[in-house]
Amino acid sequence: DQQVKQNSPSLSVQEGRISILNCDYTNSMFDYFLWYKKYPAEGPTFLISISSIKDKNEDGRFTVFLNKSAKHLSLHIVPSQPGDSAVYFCAATYSGGYQKVTFGTGTKLQVIP
Amino acid sequence: GAVVSQHPSWVICKSGTSVKIECRSLDFQATTMFWYRQFPKQSLMLMATSNEGSKATYEQGVEKDKFLINHASLTLSTLTVTSAHPEDSSFYICSAREIGVGELFFGEGSRLTVL
Repeated sequence: DQQVKQNSPSLSVQEGRISILNCDYTNSMFDYFLWYKKYPAEGPTFLISISSIKDKNEDGRFTVFLNKSAKHLSLHIVPSQPGDSAVYFCAATYSGGYQKVTFGTGTKLQVIP
Repeated sequence: GAVVSQHPSWVICKSGTSVKIECRSLDFQATTMFWYRQFPKQSLMLMATSNEGSKATYEQGVEKDKFLINHASLTLSTLTVTSAHPEDSSFYICSAREIGVGELFFGEGSRLTVL
């Protein structure tokens, strides 16, 4: 049962354009969402997070949007840079759940110079 | 940000042997650490939650006798893959959360290859 889904396994974007990575979740108990970036053979690196009390959080080139009614969140990267090429994981957790984090399947982003 | 270190980062072993992977939080204390496993082209799958001073909590389908977890101190958790088999070959990643802080920090991962 995949509670966090990233339906696009890969995405290619031209350098300078916007990258939009999508994520859907099914567990309504989730109240904290995170995005991680991962290079091959390395551990994930935290990018940005959002609490369920917000619908938008911005940090530099990265913005995460949360639509609770649709159980959907997205990560926007503007402008995209070649160094952004990596696998991006959406993740979710909830208060009281041993702080366990449930990961999506990942989206491989390729930014073309 | 905080640093979580895993050792070894890469290990090859013979089938039937045991392998220990260490996860250390270098500049913070963590009462809880998590162990994940990643298969090729798949998501990170939580294996177990490691609690300092108590038994680990394993996810459904994870053999606790095969994947021994010890969280001996606030900065160290170990995962021992006992009697390893080729199907145990994978990328194992740990994470830790600093006490009182919301963010999770991940180790660099450990690549296990069982021949």
